[in-house]
Amino acid sequence: DQQVKQNSPSLSVQEGRISILNCDYTNSMFDYFLWYKKYPAEGPTFLISISSIKDKNEDGRFTVFLNKSAKHLSLHIVPSQPGDSAVYFCAASMGGSQGNLIFGKGTKLSVKP
Amino acid sequence: DTGVSQNPRHKITKRGQNVTFRCDPISEHNRLYWYRQTLGQGPEFLTYFQNEAQLEKSRLLSDRFSAERPKGSFSTLEIQRTEQGDSAMYLCASSLTGTYGYTFGSGTRLTVV
Repeated sequence: DQQVKQNSPSLSVQEGRISILNCDYTNSMFDYFLWYKKYPAEGPTFLISISSIKDKNEDGRFTVFLNKSAKHLSLHIVPSQPGDSAVYFCAASMGGSQGNLIFGKGTKLSVKP
Repeated sequence: DTGVSQNPRHKITKRGQNVTFRCDPISEHNRLYWYRQTLGQGPEFLTYFQNEAQLEKSRLLSDRFSAERPKGSFSTLEIQRTEQGDSAMYLCASSLTGTYGYTFGSGTRLTVV
């Protein structure tokens, strides 16, 4: 049973517009959430994270929103750029272990010029 | 330091053979992680080390798999008697204790024929 779900395998957005990537989780014990970006033939790159005690974290063009009651988080990219085209993974951790991240299946974002 | 280095980048092996992968983490990072990623899935946790101690192992890590991190520096992941189901990208990551944003290597792609 998947504990972290990314239900959209792909997303296509026009350059300059907002990209919204969604992630749902089932385990209420998760207390830390992360987003990673992955280009082909490279390992995932850490993008942004949020603790469960917050509902928003912003870093430049990237903002992550957390809705604990809905067990849902989203990544907003504004404005989207062609270089943002990649696979985005949502990941979650519990109990402060920092040892075991549980990843979703990823969403492939395509930003068109 | 140029990041997390994994060797080899690609490995093709015949079923039943043993294979070994190497990971060199960022030098000041005391934590080292192994993940496996198959097509269409997110990375799945295998095991992690803090310094030379192996602190957590996933049930995915069958008795054919063994990981070591002698002297708390580089790590090796060995798969004995490989099976076709072992074909995957094996990712290594490292971090400092207290940080969640791992740095991943580019991975070793294993193909078992």
